[in-house]
Amino acid sequence: EDKVVQSPLSLVVHEGDTVTLNCSYEVTNFRSLLWYKQEKKAPTFLFMLTSSGIEKKSGRLSSILDKKELSSILNITATQTGDSAIYLCAVGLKEPYNFNKFYFGSGTKLNVKP
Amino acid sequence: DAGITQSPRHKVTETGTPVTLRCHQTENHRYMYWYRQDPGHGLRLIHYSYGVKDTDKGEVSDGYSVSRSKTEDFLLTLESATSSQTSVYFCAISAITGNYGYTFGSGTRLTVV
Repeated sequence: EDKVVQSPLSLVVHEGDTVTLNCSYEVTNFRSLLWYKQEKKAPTFLFMLTSSGIEKKSGRLSSILDKKELSSILNITATQTGDSAIYLCAVGLKEPYNFNKFYFGSGTKLNVKP
Repeated sequence: DAGITQSPRHKVTETGTPVTLRCHQTENHRYMYWYRQDPGHGLRLIHYSYGVKDTDKGEVSDGYSVSRSKTEDFLLTLESATSSQTSVYFCAISAITGNYGYTFGSGTRLTVV
């Protein structure tokens, strides 16, 4: 059975801290791994990772995939209260006939205190 | 996101009544999905569609049905609502190539009493 596990489930930090969120997966025919940020409403797209070792960056956020270890990390440096959210990891399988379905982890709830 | 809208945004319904949630997209994407989100479970796939009139079950499809008569609309029906179906429902769309990650609607919060 395909599985995506995120850790920790929740995290409380103070502004300025650096955090690392983890996502591990056990799937057949891996295609890609996505990170989403969910505040009050819909998840919003952060990164798509398909190749090992290539870091994706966007401002203070960065992510890297390790296909050997079947895992990915999402780093947030110099955290701000606006980073408080649930961070979701999702894994997609190779086509054809997967119809681009993604399997989601249960998320990491990050709370950044002033 | 402006390209995908869900209705209603909130609904309270009684146990045993049928409920239909609507997802409408203006992106002309082929793939559409319905997920439910519950604490501790993340997002779980209910049903998905890979074209007009082409749908299939996801991992938590019991008690739900879907229809897609037009590219832009994907309906989710709870045939006889139960309290276990109290949840937040998200619709998502994706392209086939390029950035094929999901774009989500704003969600429908459904409460079954």
